[in-house]
Amino acid sequence: DTGVSQNPRHKITKRGQNVTFRCDPISEHNRLYWYRQTLGQGPEFLTYFQNEAQLEKSRLLSDRFSAERPKGSFSTLEIQRTEQGDSAMYLCASTRVQANYGYTFGSGTRLTVV
Amino acid sequence: SQQGEEDPQALSIQEGENATMNCSYKTSINNLQWYRQNSGRGLVHLILIRSNEREKHSGRLRVTLDTSKKSSSLLITASRAADTASYFCATDEGAQKLVFGQGTRLTINP
Repeated sequence: DTGVSQNPRHKITKRGQNVTFRCDPISEHNRLYWYRQTLGQGPEFLTYFQNEAQLEKSRLLSDRFSAERPKGSFSTLEIQRTEQGDSAMYLCASTRVQANYGYTFGSGTRLTVV
Repeated sequence: SQQGEEDPQALSIQEGENATMNCSYKTSINNLQWYRQNSGRGLVHLILIRSNEREKHSGRLRVTLDTSKKSSSLLITASRAADTASYFCATDEGAQKLVFGQGTRLTINP
């Protein structure tokens, strides 16, 4: 297993455009998380899935953000009508549902909105 | 919102010295985890300590947990240049999600 894979690594987009990021988790992991991280800060929770069900969404996740995990495998995070404030690193992580198990993070997608 | 506060925000030491970072949190937890992040990269899991444990070791890492004070510390012994990174504590709330602190930026000077 090659770990958690995120694509693209970098994305530059113009304000108002839509963007979509993809995350491929470790295959045995049934939980998948999305976090957002801005410079000098820790990761902030956005949402998570257990298998294909989206179980929690942060209030940070405005209606311009949508995440899916069809068939409980890979996940996509879409941002519609991007704003400059959306510029950040978007991190995906996966883990097992059992307690006391660490997360495996991908390398992230860095979004720059110009 | 972020759960914990880490102290110090930045730490610069000489290679070979020990580095200690502290983390405080606010609510009850199942476990506390420490992660390392190199610049511009994802986070790497270092160590997990359960709420009923007080101390844990992994190689050059030593983690303590004091649930009465809602605090934890990470000690890196005999530091190396490759230890230069940001270090984050994260608390597992209700086995649902991790909540991260703002991190400590550690610089190891040769």
